[in-house]
Amino acid sequence: AQTVTQSQPEMSVQEAETVTLSCTYDTSENNYYLFWYKQPPSRQMILVIRQEAYKQQNATENRFSVNFQKAAKSFSLKISDSQLGDTAMYFCAFSNDMRFGAGTRLTVKP
Amino acid sequence: GAGVSQTPSNKVTEKGKYVELRCDPISGHTALYWYRQSLGQGPEFLIYFQGTGAADDSGLPNDRFFAVRPEGSVSTLKIQRTERGDSAVYLCASSLTRVRAGGIAFFGQGTRLTVV
Repeated sequence: AQTVTQSQPEMSVQEAETVTLSCTYDTSENNYYLFWYKQPPSRQMILVIRQEAYKQQNATENRFSVNFQKAAKSFSLKISDSQLGDTAMYFCAFSNDMRFGAGTRLTVKP
Repeated sequence: GAGVSQTPSNKVTEKGKYVELRCDPISGHTALYWYRQSLGQGPEFLIYFQGTGAADDSGLPNDRFFAVRPEGSVSTLKIQRTERGDSAVYLCASSLTRVRAGGIAFFGQGTRLTVV
């Protein structure tokens, strides 16, 4: 099985500032997808962003963007202009066996 | 339905009892995944269905856990002889095609199982 590692159990950021969450993974496969999911206290897992491994261009969705470094097997999430509603657990996931990292608890402070 | 529906939302059972957790995927989604999420941890993969068949059940922890999807839509996760360690949130997700092939997984709100 592939492994997905999130090394930051908790992070905090001031409202309107930028924060970056880290994720590394281990695989010998060449074609795959990577995801960031958000899980607020409601428990609902919500897809934030998806990256296709064969695309060099980093994915962007509004205030959310990724820094995908395929050779380094790194996939970080940048949240710009952080909002209070961004407070949640964030999970990185790898497509080929749908494994998730342990998560990062992000708190946005007013 | 509009989204993935899981029932019940919460289930409390006594140690040793049998429980069934239900997942209604988004209509037309062929792939269905079950996860277990313990407090403060990431989702732990249990089983993946493609249509009616279990394509990957490598995450089921032991033979007390079993899942079915007889008609390729609704799935039921069955736990026999429940133990206190089974207490967790059980999440279900579905996708139009397999995530490995580019599908996007949509999750239900989960069932919180508490074994007392």
